[in-house]
Amino acid sequence: GESVGLHLPTLSVQEGDNSIINCAYSNSASDYFIWYKQESGKGPQFIIDIRSNMDKRQGQRVTVLLNKTVKHLSLQIAATQPGDSAVYFCAETRGGSNYKLTFGKGTLLTVNP
Amino acid sequence: DADVTQTPRNRITKTGKRIMLECSQTKGHDRMYWYRQDPGLGLRLIYYSFDVKDINKGEISDGYSVSRQAQAKFSLSLESAIPNQTALYFCATSDPGQGGNTIYFGEGSWLTVV
Repeated sequence: GESVGLHLPTLSVQEGDNSIINCAYSNSASDYFIWYKQESGKGPQFIIDIRSNMDKRQGQRVTVLLNKTVKHLSLQIAATQPGDSAVYFCAETRGGSNYKLTFGKGTLLTVNP
Repeated sequence: DADVTQTPRNRITKTGKRIMLECSQTKGHDRMYWYRQDPGLGLRLIYYSFDVKDINKGEISDGYSVSRQAQAKFSLSLESAIPNQTALYFCATSDPGQGGNTIYFGEGSWLTVV
C-alpha cells in the first residue's frame, strides 16, 4: 500500500554532531517531499522541500537527499544544536497535487549538550 | 502575531456535546485544511477547502464537518463529540499561486472528550 514511514522513532545526538533522519515511501508516483519540524506545543514548521526531479537540496545547515531508486528520503542536520530538538516529519504528495500531504509518524530528535 | 490562529487552544468537552474549533489566517491563502494529530499516527487530513465555495473530505472526515465562512476563516465542528476524537487539531493554509506547495500550520488546538 501507499505509505510514508520513518525508520527510527527516536534519535539522540551530541551537540555539534551531524544528525541524519530517514524516511521511506512506497509510492513511486510521489513527486514532492517536505520535511517539517515540530517543537513541543507548536505546529509543524516547514524546513525544506525537494521535488522528484532532484536528488539533493541544501538549506541553512540542512540537506535533503532523495533516492528514488530505493524510495528513500533523508534529512541531514549539520552541527546539531539544542534548538534542533524536536519531532521531524517527512511528508509527500503525489500526482502534482499539493493538498493531500501524507505524513510519516515522526522521529524525535534529542540533542544532548 | 501568528499567521494562522486557532481558537480555542485547549478545550475539554463531554461526550455528545457539540464543539467548534475556529481558524483564521492572515496569509491571504486560498487553501485551508484541518488535520488531526494522534501519538504514533502522525498528521491525518480531515477536510480541506480550495476556496470559499469548495469543501472536500480528507481521509478521516467521519464525525466532523467544516464551514468556510470567508477566505480567511475555516471552522471545524464535532456535532456529537466522542472520546476517540480526543486529539491535537491543526488548521493549515497553502497557496500554490505563490510557487510552492508548502503548507503552513497553526499552533494547534488540544481537544479532550471525556
